[in-house]
Amino acid sequence: DAGVIQSPRHEVTEMGQEVTLRCKPISGHNSLFWYRQTMMRGLELLIYFNNNVPIDDSGMPEDRFSAKMPNASFSTLKIQPSEPRDSAVYFCASSPGQLPYGYTFGSGTRLTVV
Amino acid sequence: AQSVTQLGSHVSVSEGALVLLRCNYSSSVPPYLFWYVQYPNQGLQLLLKYTSAATLVKGINGFEAEFKKSETSFHLTKPSAHMSDAAEYFCAVTLRQTGANNLFFGTGTRLTVIP
Repeated sequence: DAGVIQSPRHEVTEMGQEVTLRCKPISGHNSLFWYRQTMMRGLELLIYFNNNVPIDDSGMPEDRFSAKMPNASFSTLKIQPSEPRDSAVYFCASSPGQLPYGYTFGSGTRLTVV
Repeated sequence: AQSVTQLGSHVSVSEGALVLLRCNYSSSVPPYLFWYVQYPNQGLQLLLKYTSAATLVKGINGFEAEFKKSETSFHLTKPSAHMSDAAEYFCAVTLRQTGANNLFFGTGTRLTVIP
């Protein structure tokens, strides 16, 4: 099992540009989570999906952020337009969706907006 | 509502010394509890989890944690610290409810091991 795969590992973009982060969950996991990690705010849950359906997006900071899960093996997190304050490490995690399993995290995407 | 509080954002220990990282939880129903470790430039990795089978839980890399309901605690310990244990550690909680699968993480404790 290759684990949760995120791409790209690093992204540097200019303010105002669109950024798309990608995630492939572990096969068979039906829950997927997007987190953002910063020094100031720690780990923040942005959105999570069950069976490809968004369940809770209350953590999405503003309308510039959007997430999709078109199928069980792929999810994207898009920021449009990006701003310097979006600079952070973005993690994707997946789980089998049944308690008491924890999450398996990807290695993250480090986003820098200049 | 459920949450975890990690006491001490930074902990330093000497190599070979006891490691103790503190976590207290708040939950209106019996919780599931987890410890994760994050090494530099990596994602979070599950160390151990409490699911009510036993109050003393053993995890990877020699770590263990004890669930104490009377103290609402789930502290992480290791008898002898190694240099490789230097990392950030996160406590997390979720509820024992069908469908309530989202974890709530603490703010993390950065462990430094002094040679």
